[in-house]
Amino acid sequence: DAMVIQNPRYQVTQFGKPVTLSCSQTLNHNVMYWYQQKSSQAPKLLFHYYDKDFNNEADTPDNFQSRRPNTSFCFLDIRSPGLGDAAMYLCATSREGSIGEQFFGPGTRLTVL
Amino acid sequence: GENVEQHPSTLSVQEGDSAVIKCTYSDSASNYFPWYKQELGKRPQLIIDIRSNVGEKKDQRIAVTLNKTAKHFSLHITETQPEDSAVYFCAAKTIKAAGNKLTFGGGTRVLVKP
Repeated sequence: DAMVIQNPRYQVTQFGKPVTLSCSQTLNHNVMYWYQQKSSQAPKLLFHYYDKDFNNEADTPDNFQSRRPNTSFCFLDIRSPGLGDAAMYLCATSREGSIGEQFFGPGTRLTVL
Repeated sequence: GENVEQHPSTLSVQEGDSAVIKCTYSDSASNYFPWYKQELGKRPQLIIDIRSNVGEKKDQRIAVTLNKTAKHFSLHITETQPEDSAVYFCAAKTIKAAGNKLTFGGGTRVLVKP
């Protein structure tokens, strides 16, 4: 059964055209994360939500925004994608109070033309 | 903040041999150390983890050891098989941060040659 779902799996956008990636989860976890991963590098944390509290990483560009309208869904908005934003975007969830295991979604591969 | 270093960056082994990947971390307060395996184009998958109150954990051909004093932990894969070929990431959890925030190592690309 799918636990962390990401849509779409592949997204193509044009330079500067806003794009939204979505993540949903059936685990009822209260923490959700967005990572950017390029070319087999380590996943780079962009931000995470602890319940409704938004936590931005210091080096996350302003071009990246996020919304979490409810426990199950989280969105990544890229306001003006550049060529350097082409990457795999991974959503993950975890349950606060547990030791910390994170469950990853399958990822969305973003291409910027 | 936490810093995790991982070595080697690439590792080539003959099928049936063992593979060892080592990681060091900087924050002595970290208490959870997972290892993820990521095959090409797929999500990272947790393969084993260890908590700071344990020195070693084993699951079939995979084992992880933790040395809290030296702040390093290692992944050991015995009797490697071609399907073990993937990128492996270690990580450490910083308990001081909000939420279960993980810091990842740079990754090790493992190639098992038949």
